[in-house]
Amino acid sequence: EAQVTQNPRYLITVTGKKLTVTCSQNMNHEYMSWYRQDPGLGLRQIYYSMNVEVTDKGDVPEGYKVSRKEKRNFPLILESPSPNQTSLYFCASSLSGGEQFFGPGTRLTVL
Amino acid sequence: QQQVKQSPQSLIVQKGGISIINCAYENTAFDYFPWYQQFPGKGPALLIAIRPDVSEKKEGRFTISFNKSAKQFSLHIMDSQPGDSATYFCAAEEANTNAGKSTFGDGTTLTVKP
Repeated sequence: EAQVTQNPRYLITVTGKKLTVTCSQNMNHEYMSWYRQDPGLGLRQIYYSMNVEVTDKGDVPEGYKVSRKEKRNFPLILESPSPNQTSLYFCASSLSGGEQFFGPGTRLTVL
Repeated sequence: QQQVKQSPQSLIVQKGGISIINCAYENTAFDYFPWYQQFPGKGPALLIAIRPDVSEKKEGRFTISFNKSAKQFSLHIMDSQPGDSATYFCAAEEANTNAGKSTFGDGTTLTVKP
Protein backbone atom coordinates (compact mmCIF):
# COMPACT_ATOMS: atom_id res chain seq x y z
CA GLU A 1 0.00 0.00 0.00
CA ALA A 2 1.33 3.41 -1.02
CA GLN A 3 1.65 5.49 2.09
CA VAL A 4 3.50 7.99 4.22
CA THR A 5 4.22 6.81 7.75
CA GLN A 6 5.17 8.86 10.77
CA ASN A 7 6.43 7.83 14.18
CA PRO A 8 5.59 8.35 16.90
CA ARG A 9 1.93 9.28 16.49
CA TYR A 10 1.79 10.86 19.93
CA LEU A 11 4.60 12.28 22.02
CA ILE A 12 4.73 14.14 25.30
CA THR A 13 8.10 15.53 26.26
CA VAL A 14 9.72 18.24 28.35
CA THR A 15 11.40 21.46 27.38
CA GLY A 16 14.92 20.99 26.09
CA LYS A 17 14.88 17.24 25.53
CA LYS A 18 15.95 16.51 21.97
CA LEU A 19 13.52 14.50 19.89
CA THR A 20 13.16 13.13 16.38
CA VAL A 21 9.97 12.44 14.48
CA THR A 22 10.51 9.99 11.65
CA CYS A 23 8.81 10.07 8.26
CA SER A 24 9.02 7.47 5.55
CA GLN A 25 7.34 7.09 2.16
CA ASN A 26 7.21 4.05 -0.12
CA MET A 27 6.17 5.79 -3.35
CA ASN A 28 9.64 6.74 -4.58
CA HIS A 29 8.67 10.40 -4.37
CA GLU A 30 11.26 13.10 -4.98
CA TYR A 31 9.70 15.74 -2.76
CA MET A 32 9.02 15.61 0.96
CA SER A 33 7.81 18.25 3.40
CA TRP A 34 7.06 18.86 7.04
CA TYR A 35 4.11 20.96 8.21
CA ARG A 36 2.71 21.99 11.53
CA GLN A 37 -1.00 22.49 12.04
CA ASP A 38 -2.30 24.82 14.71
CA PRO A 39 -5.93 25.88 15.29
CA GLY A 40 -6.85 28.84 13.10
CA LEU A 41 -3.44 28.90 11.42
CA GLY A 42 -3.87 26.18 8.86
CA LEU A 43 -0.87 24.19 7.68
CA ARG A 44 2.46 25.96 7.80
CA GLN A 45 5.43 24.49 5.99
CA ILE A 46 8.51 23.97 8.14
CA TYR A 47 11.02 22.48 5.70
CA TYR A 48 10.89 20.76 2.36
CA SER A 49 13.25 18.61 0.34
CA MET A 50 13.49 18.31 -3.42
CA ASN A 51 15.79 15.28 -3.38
CA VAL A 52 18.44 13.50 -1.34
CA GLU A 53 20.72 16.01 0.40
CA VAL A 54 18.66 18.94 -0.90
CA THR A 55 16.51 20.76 1.64
CA ASP A 56 15.10 24.26 1.97
CA LYS A 57 13.31 26.33 4.57
CA GLY A 58 9.58 26.73 4.56
CA ASP A 59 7.70 29.48 6.34
CA VAL A 60 8.40 28.47 9.95
CA PRO A 61 11.80 26.72 10.14
CA GLU A 62 13.03 28.21 13.42
CA GLY A 63 13.73 25.57 16.07
CA TYR A 64 13.66 22.65 13.64
CA LYS A 65 16.20 20.67 11.66
CA VAL A 66 15.77 18.11 8.91
CA SER A 67 17.95 15.75 6.92
CA ARG A 68 17.43 13.78 3.74
CA LYS A 69 20.09 11.10 3.53
CA GLU A 70 17.82 8.59 1.82
CA LYS A 71 15.07 9.21 -0.67
CA ARG A 72 12.39 7.51 1.40
CA ASN A 73 13.12 9.10 4.79
CA PHE A 74 12.83 12.68 6.00
CA PRO A 75 13.16 12.98 9.80
CA LEU A 76 12.23 16.13 11.70
CA ILE A 77 14.55 17.01 14.57
CA LEU A 78 13.81 19.31 17.48
CA GLU A 79 17.16 19.92 19.18
CA SER A 80 15.72 21.80 22.16
CA PRO A 81 11.91 21.69 22.11
CA SER A 82 9.94 24.51 23.67
CA PRO A 83 6.24 24.72 24.61
CA ASN A 84 5.48 26.85 21.53
CA GLN A 85 6.36 23.82 19.42
CA THR A 86 3.39 21.94 20.82
CA SER A 87 1.45 21.18 17.68
CA LEU A 88 0.18 18.59 15.23
CA TYR A 89 2.88 17.72 12.70
CA PHE A 90 2.39 16.27 9.25
CA CYS A 91 4.88 14.83 6.83
CA ALA A 92 4.00 14.80 3.13
CA SER A 93 5.52 13.60 -0.10
CA SER A 94 4.93 14.28 -3.78
CA LEU A 95 6.31 12.92 -7.01
CA SER A 96 7.48 16.22 -8.51
CA GLY A 97 5.61 18.97 -6.72
CA GLY A 98 1.85 19.11 -7.17
CA GLU A 99 -0.32 16.59 -5.35
CA GLN A 100 0.97 15.86 -1.88
CA PHE A 101 0.32 12.69 0.09
CA PHE A 102 0.16 13.29 3.81
CA GLY A 103 1.01 11.04 6.71
CA PRO A 104 -1.37 10.44 9.63
CA GLY A 105 0.16 13.14 11.82
CA THR A 106 2.18 13.31 15.04
CA ARG A 107 0.69 15.12 18.00
CA LEU A 108 3.51 16.64 20.03
CA THR A 109 3.14 18.17 23.48
CA VAL A 110 6.10 19.98 25.03
CA LEU A 111 5.72 20.64 28.75
CA GLN B 1 2.28 38.77 4.92
CA GLN B 2 -0.18 35.96 4.41
CA GLN B 3 0.07 34.86 0.81
CA VAL B 4 -3.13 32.79 0.69
CA LYS B 5 -6.24 34.09 2.44
CA GLN B 6 -9.14 31.72 2.92
CA SER B 7 -12.72 32.46 3.91
CA PRO B 8 -14.96 31.77 5.67
CA GLN B 9 -13.35 30.21 8.73
CA SER B 10 -16.43 28.07 9.29
CA LEU B 11 -19.50 27.24 7.26
CA ILE B 12 -22.77 25.52 8.07
CA VAL B 13 -24.88 24.26 5.18
CA GLN B 14 -28.06 22.22 4.98
CA LYS B 15 -27.96 18.86 3.25
CA GLY B 16 -28.45 19.35 -0.47
CA GLY B 17 -27.20 22.92 -0.40
CA ILE B 18 -24.18 24.49 -2.06
CA SER B 19 -21.02 25.07 -0.04
CA ILE B 20 -18.68 27.79 -1.28
CA ILE B 21 -15.19 28.45 0.08
CA ASN B 22 -13.03 31.25 -1.25
CA CYS B 23 -9.30 31.86 -1.46
CA ALA B 24 -7.26 34.83 -2.59
CA TYR B 25 -3.55 34.89 -3.30
CA GLU B 26 -0.85 37.50 -3.74
CA ASN B 27 1.99 35.81 -5.58
CA THR B 28 1.39 35.84 -9.34
CA ALA B 29 4.06 33.16 -9.76
CA PHE B 30 1.74 30.56 -8.20
CA ASP B 31 0.73 28.07 -10.87
CA TYR B 32 -0.86 25.17 -9.04
CA PHE B 33 -3.92 25.54 -6.82
CA PRO B 34 -5.09 22.44 -4.94
CA TRP B 35 -7.85 21.94 -2.42
CA TYR B 36 -7.32 19.44 0.38
CA GLN B 37 -9.96 17.79 2.56
CA GLN B 38 -9.19 16.74 6.11
CA PHE B 39 -11.32 14.59 8.40
CA PRO B 40 -10.74 14.61 12.17
CA GLY B 41 -7.74 12.53 13.15
CA LYS B 42 -6.51 12.16 9.58
CA GLY B 43 -4.00 13.86 7.35
CA PRO B 44 -5.22 16.12 4.54
CA ALA B 45 -5.97 14.47 1.21
CA LEU B 46 -6.12 16.07 -2.22
CA LEU B 47 -9.68 16.75 -3.32
CA ILE B 48 -9.26 18.64 -6.57
CA ALA B 49 -6.67 20.94 -8.14
CA ILE B 50 -6.43 23.46 -10.96
CA ARG B 51 -3.72 25.17 -12.98
CA PRO B 52 -4.21 28.78 -14.17
CA ASP B 53 -4.64 27.92 -17.84
CA VAL B 54 -8.30 27.01 -17.19
CA SER B 55 -11.05 28.92 -15.41
CA GLU B 56 -12.99 25.98 -14.06
CA LYS B 57 -12.51 22.32 -13.21
CA LYS B 58 -15.24 19.95 -12.15
CA GLU B 59 -14.98 16.53 -10.57
CA GLY B 60 -18.31 15.09 -9.54
CA ARG B 61 -19.95 17.42 -7.03
CA PHE B 62 -16.77 19.45 -6.56
CA THR B 63 -15.85 22.42 -8.76
CA ILE B 64 -12.96 24.86 -8.65
CA SER B 65 -13.57 28.28 -10.16
CA PHE B 66 -10.42 30.25 -10.94
CA ASN B 67 -10.17 34.00 -11.66
CA LYS B 68 -6.61 34.81 -12.64
CA SER B 69 -7.09 38.55 -12.99
CA ALA B 70 -8.64 38.82 -9.54
CA LYS B 71 -6.14 36.34 -8.07
CA GLN B 72 -8.95 34.36 -6.54
CA PHE B 73 -10.16 30.79 -6.64
CA SER B 74 -13.04 29.03 -4.96
CA LEU B 75 -14.35 25.56 -4.17
CA HIS B 76 -18.00 24.80 -4.79
CA ILE B 77 -19.57 21.68 -3.33
CA MET B 78 -22.90 20.94 -4.95
CA ASP B 79 -25.59 18.88 -3.22
CA SER B 80 -23.61 18.98 0.02
CA GLN B 81 -23.86 15.83 2.15
CA PRO B 82 -23.22 15.19 5.86
CA GLY B 83 -20.23 13.09 4.79
CA ASP B 84 -18.68 16.25 3.33
CA SER B 85 -18.35 17.66 6.86
CA ALA B 86 -14.60 18.22 7.19
CA THR B 87 -11.95 20.91 7.16
CA TYR B 88 -10.99 22.23 3.73
CA PHE B 89 -7.69 23.89 2.88
CA CYS B 90 -6.79 25.76 -0.25
CA ALA B 91 -3.14 25.94 -1.21
CA ALA B 92 -0.87 27.44 -3.82
CA GLU B 93 2.47 26.43 -5.23
CA GLU B 94 5.00 27.59 -7.79
CA ALA B 95 5.03 24.12 -9.30
CA ASN B 96 7.14 25.04 -12.33
CA THR B 97 9.78 27.21 -10.70
CA ASN B 98 9.87 26.37 -7.00
CA ALA B 99 8.19 23.00 -6.67
CA GLY B 100 7.92 21.79 -3.12
CA LYS B 101 7.30 25.20 -1.56
CA SER B 102 3.60 25.24 -0.64
CA THR B 103 1.46 27.87 1.02
CA PHE B 104 -1.84 26.90 2.61
CA GLY B 105 -4.87 28.89 3.66
CA ASP B 106 -6.03 28.81 7.27
CA GLY B 107 -8.76 26.27 6.59
CA THR B 108 -12.56 26.20 6.59
CA THR B 109 -14.54 23.91 8.84
CA LEU B 110 -17.62 22.77 6.94
CA THR B 111 -20.61 21.30 8.72
CA VAL B 112 -23.42 19.87 6.63
CA LYS B 113 -26.61 19.45 8.65
CA PRO B 114 -28.92 16.53 7.81
